[in-house]
Order: sequence, then structure tokens, then C-alpha cells
Amino acid sequence: KAGVTQTPRYLIKTRGQQVTLSCSPISGHRSVSWYQQTPGQGLQFLFEYFSETQRNKGNFPGRFSGRQFSNSRSEMNVSTLELGDSALYLCASSLYGTGSSGNTIYFGEGSWLTVV
Amino acid sequence: AQSVSQHNHHVILSEAASLELGCNYSYGGTVNLFWYVQYPGQHLQLLLKYFSGDPLVKGIKGFEAEFIKSKFSFNLRKPSVQWSDTAEYFCAVSWGNGGFKTIFGAGTRLFVKA
Repeated sequence: KAGVTQTPRYLIKTRGQQVTLSCSPISGHRSVSWYQQTPGQGLQFLFEYFSETQRNKGNFPGRFSGRQFSNSRSEMNVSTLELGDSALYLCASSLYGTGSSGNTIYFGEGSWLTVV
Repeated sequence: AQSVSQHNHHVILSEAASLELGCNYSYGGTVNLFWYVQYPGQHLQLLLKYFSGDPLVKGIKGFEAEFIKSKFSFNLRKPSVQWSDTAEYFCAVSWGNGGFKTIFGAGTRLFVKA
């Protein structure tokens, strides 16, 4: 079955603009989480959605937001972009929405965002 | 706050050398433990995982990891590395308190010399 799909794969934005990234989870997966990956900070957790509800949030400013649709597809939005937002944004999906046993997460290939 | 620590940020080994990458976490409850690998230019892939049972788990490509609860550790091992193991390795811990959260370590870059 198809894996986690993220679009767009690459994009360049200007400071002050906003960006929306999209993620389609593996079919049947109801939990979607987002991560920011940078060389200096590694993988930083942004937020996690389950059944259209945000249930966990990392330590990112309010400029970072997300949502999940009824078909489990998710979007994340970053407003008022800053140079430091340049990163690889990873989406991951999992079958279960709790920390129960067997809750493996699967990653997409990511969206490379460059802010100039 | 919960955290995951990977002891080495960069490791350089020669082929056939043994590998051990350290991972410690801080959370007193029940956890699920993972190692992910990211090969150059590729996306994160699951290497192995521990949920319960035998604390020694075997993954793909000859990797294994041992969960030591008393030490809050989940170290990754491979008896003999290959040049193709050059990649970045991430330890991850997840737990649930009415939700699902996975925290990753900072990663260890492994370079294997041919």
C-alpha cells in the first residue's frame, strides 16, 4: 500500500510569507504527526493529530499550526516565515492514536522548505 | 520534561568493526522504543522496535538493540558494520497519556570507511 505522501517536496519562500504543507497518511492510519528536521536541532516534534483533534504539541511558536481533515489528511501552516524556519518538514502517520503497544510511526519523504 | 539522549553525534568506523550506539531516555512509565535510520538522500526508515517481551530485539540488516529498563537505555548494536551502513541513526521513545507522542534523539551520524 502507498506510504506517507507529502507535498510539495521542495519550495522556496520569502521572509514574511506563509506556507502550507500537505500530508496524506498511510491508508487506515488516523494519527498524523509533524516534525521539523534541521542539521543543528535534529528532529523536533511539532504536533500530532488524531481524528481531526490536536492532541500533542511541541515547543514551537504559534506561527506553526496544523489541522487534520476527516479523511485523516493533514496540513501544517507556517505564517510570517523567518530564515530559521528553513528545514525539512516531516510528516509521519500511525495506526493507533494512543501510546499503546504497536504504535509504530512511518515517515514521509518530507518537504524541503527554504526561506530566503 | 521527557528527553532522549544519544551519546555520540559522530562515529567513524572501519568495515567489519563492531558498532554500539547509546540511547538513554527519561520517562518513568511504560514506553515504546525505536531506532530509525536515514540513509543519505533517503527518508527515515524503521530499523527496529521494542514494545514488550524479550528486551533484546532484532531488526533489519543485522542490527539489534537491548532494552535495559533499570538504566533507561536502548542501545543499538551490530557485530560487523559495512560501508552501506553509513547513515544517520535516530533513537526514539513514545508513550501515551491519552495521546501519542514520540520524541527523537539528536541523531548519530555513522561513517563507515571501506
